[in-house]
Amino acid sequence: KAGVTQTPRYLIKTRGQQVTLSCSPISGHRSVSWYQQTPGQGLQFLFEYFSETQRNKGNFPGRFSGRQFSNSRSEMNVSTLELGDSALYLCASSSSDGGGETQYFGPGTRLLVL
Amino acid sequence: KNEVEQSPQNLTAQEGEFITINCSYSVGISALHWLQQHPGGGIVSLFMLSSGKKKHGRLIATINIQEKHSSLHITASHPRDSAVYICAVLEYGNKLVFGAGTILRVKS
Repeated sequence: KAGVTQTPRYLIKTRGQQVTLSCSPISGHRSVSWYQQTPGQGLQFLFEYFSETQRNKGNFPGRFSGRQFSNSRSEMNVSTLELGDSALYLCASSSSDGGGETQYFGPGTRLLVL
Repeated sequence: KNEVEQSPQNLTAQEGEFITINCSYSVGISALHWLQQHPGGGIVSLFMLSSGKKKHGRLIATINIQEKHSSLHITASHPRDSAVYICAVLEYGNKLVFGAGTILRVKS
């Protein structure tokens, strides 16, 4: 099976712009989670989607949003970018329908906000 | 206080040494993950535990649910084991909470 893929891999934006990142899970996986990794805060949970519904949400402002399509592909959007949004954004998929399954991580999208 | 605490933060070992990384957590969990992250960012899930002990090659992971503690052991360490090792707990539902990571360097 192909692994989790994320596009784009690298992105440079300026403050105030918005960005959309894409994640394609492993075939058959219905859960997609998004994470932000920064040197200062480490890895933090953004949100999780399962069957097109947001099932869990971390402590991020409303500028961070996401969605999941019927084929389980997921996108996350960050509006009105701030310098502090520069980070590695990772998605992970699992087959879980109730939690407790291994998560498989994508390679990440490295976002730089100037 | 962070929900997930790892120790040590940094670890340098000589090739062949036995290595232990510890993880303590304060919340109720459904499972605990040990992750490995190499330079460049790619994360690999090493283990997922909800009880007892698991072994894969030179890696062993244990968890004590009553003590809210887990350990990752590496036997006969090798320079290719150099990476960041991250403990993450799976809170009920499917939300992962991460430790700060342990930076491991194995010297030849």
